[in-house]
Amino acid sequence: RKEVEQDPGPFNVPEGATVAFNCTYSNSASQSFFWYRQDCRKEPKLLMSVYSSGNEDGRFTAQLNRASQYISLLIRDSKLSDSATYLCVVRKGGANNLFFGTGTRLTVIP
Amino acid sequence: EAGVTQFPSHSVIEKGQTVTLRCDPISGHDNLYWYRRVMGKEIKFLLHFVKESKQDESGMPNNRFLAERTGGTYSTLKVQPAELEDSGVYFCASSQGTGTAYEQYFGPGTRLTVT
Repeated sequence: RKEVEQDPGPFNVPEGATVAFNCTYSNSASQSFFWYRQDCRKEPKLLMSVYSSGNEDGRFTAQLNRASQYISLLIRDSKLSDSATYLCVVRKGGANNLFFGTGTRLTVIP
Repeated sequence: EAGVTQFPSHSVIEKGQTVTLRCDPISGHDNLYWYRRVMGKEIKFLLHFVKESKQDESGMPNNRFLAERTGGTYSTLKVQPAELEDSGVYFCASSQGTGTAYEQYFGPGTRLTVT
């Protein structure tokens, strides 16, 4: 079983739309949670960390449900520049390496 | 400040040949990680250096892969002999410390194709 499962998409949404991505993780010992963004043929870049209480950064809101081992990312008022692959990433307690989902591809259409 | 750099950006080699990938971490980052993404799969961890020491090499697939970080600065990842299934994108990342407070910054990757 994969450590992190994501719907690969693609998600094609019009500008201004709200879109939500979900992922689940298999190991209850997972301690840290992140969303990374990866543009085509570029490196993954940290978008935001995900905290138990949920957190927001501008148009982006991340939620964590430890009981269900579920992480979500909500993007409001989508921009063309939001088009990218969004990677759900977790880190287990006591370890430093990251576990990645396969990513969800988003295309925002004019 | 310069980011993580990797060389080469692309490499095409034949099965059985040797390839060496290089990673230069962000200056001052003691922690260096190698990851790879094979086609259609997720990015997977290979190993972690703290300075010149291998902290965790649990992700290394087999003994055809050898990673070094002499002097605790740049790192090399050698694949010898390369097999078809080694094709993929090899990412290097570095961080100033370990734990959630320290972001791992990724390099642009080396795209390796084994024919």
